[in-house]
Amino acid sequence: EAGVAQSPRYKIIEKRQSVAFWCNPISGHATLYWYQQILGQGPKLLIQFQNNGVVDDSQLPKDRFSAERLKGVDSTLKIQPAKLEDSAVYLCASSLDPRGEQYFGPGTRLTVT
Amino acid sequence: GEDVEQSLFLSVREGDSSVINCTYTDSSSTYLYWYKQEPGAGLQLLTYIFSNMDMKQDQRLTVLLNKKDKHLSLRIADTQTGDSAIYFCAEREWARGSQGNLIFGKGTKLSVKP
Repeated sequence: EAGVAQSPRYKIIEKRQSVAFWCNPISGHATLYWYQQILGQGPKLLIQFQNNGVVDDSQLPKDRFSAERLKGVDSTLKIQPAKLEDSAVYLCASSLDPRGEQYFGPGTRLTVT
Repeated sequence: GEDVEQSLFLSVREGDSSVINCTYTDSSSTYLYWYKQEPGAGLQLLTYIFSNMDMKQDQRLTVLLNKKDKHLSLRIADTQTGDSAIYFCAEREWARGSQGNLIFGKGTKLSVKP
């Protein structure tokens, strides 16, 4: 069974630029999560999707971050404009349902200069 | 909100047992997880325990839960150099109408010396 795929693996941008990350969850997993992991910290949930609907985006900085999962499968996370403090690893995870075990992708390491 | 605390570093010798500790705050029934993160990789689920259990064993891994003290530990028997990684404790949050989000600790970096 293929795991959670993410791309790109690494991205370096200047502050005020835009960036987008892509996630392909495990086939059949209805629930998809985006986490932000700042160096030295544990992952922090940004947004949770159930199929193509948002069920929790309470910790997403909506003035600059957006995410979508239009067809209930792949998802993209966008930052516009980026700030220095957005430097982090962005992890995507998926589960069969909201109570199921979460399986993580390898992450995208973002560096904002 | 919920909070999960872990010690940041642990160093052991190859062949010894490692014990990684964690405390959590959620008083409701919940699942508690241990994840492993190797450099440049995502998180790998190692094991989990429901809060009505005291212990769970899975090969070299033993999870102990003291629900009264809200203390969770992960014991790795016969620790190998390949076990060197960061270990995260996480609890499911059910408060405030949450969908069962995972709340992670800051991680414990395990270093195994040959």
